[in-house]
Amino acid sequence: AQTVTQSQPEMSVQEAETVTLSCTYDTSENNYYLFWYKQPPSRQMILVIRQEAYKQQNATENRFSVNFQKAAKSFSLKISDSQLGDTAMYFCAFMAYNQGGKLIFGQGTELSVKP
Amino acid sequence: DTGVSQDPRHKITKRGQNVTFRCDPISEHNRLYWYRQTLGQGPEFLTYFQNEAQLEKSRLLSDRFSAERPKGSFSTLEIQRTEQGDSAMYLCASSPTILTEAFFGQGTRLTVV
Repeated sequence: AQTVTQSQPEMSVQEAETVTLSCTYDTSENNYYLFWYKQPPSRQMILVIRQEAYKQQNATENRFSVNFQKAAKSFSLKISDSQLGDTAMYFCAFMAYNQGGKLIFGQGTELSVKP
Repeated sequence: DTGVSQDPRHKITKRGQNVTFRCDPISEHNRLYWYRQTLGQGPEFLTYFQNEAQLEKSRLLSDRFSAERPKGSFSTLEIQRTEQGDSAMYLCASSPTILTEAFFGQGTRLTVV
């Protein structure tokens, strides 16, 4: 069975600063995806960034980038130039190729961006 | 396309009553997923469909829970004889294929009193 662990229940950052959210996972699978999803207050969950496990290059999406360490089973999210709109719950999620597309989520990190 | 739609957004029910939630996925998405999210936790997988076929059910889905996707379009999730422990946000998501991004609805928040 796969597990995803986010060890930071809450974090805060000043506007325009950089913050890193941590995620570790456990799996015996070799083929999988990792995701970061954002859930703003009272709004739907949206995808921030995804990483295919077979790719060594870390994924980036504008201000968002990941540090994927496959051997360590670590998948952290870096948000640069934080904006007030980044305030949300952030969930790390795992998806194995052979499990129908279901996502295994971590417990979440509540990020507050302060002006 | 307006995205994944869930109805109702909120539901308050008395313990022991039955409730039914509806999810309309993005059109032409043949995969549909249900998750449950309790306060302060990440979503937990409940079940998923490929078209009208229900392919997997989590152990979290007790006999009181049933889900359908009769024509491979919208889906319903029914909870019979609700219990206080069923209080949670029920999320629906859809995706066009197995290895692509899942798009989530806004969820149905159930409160059992």
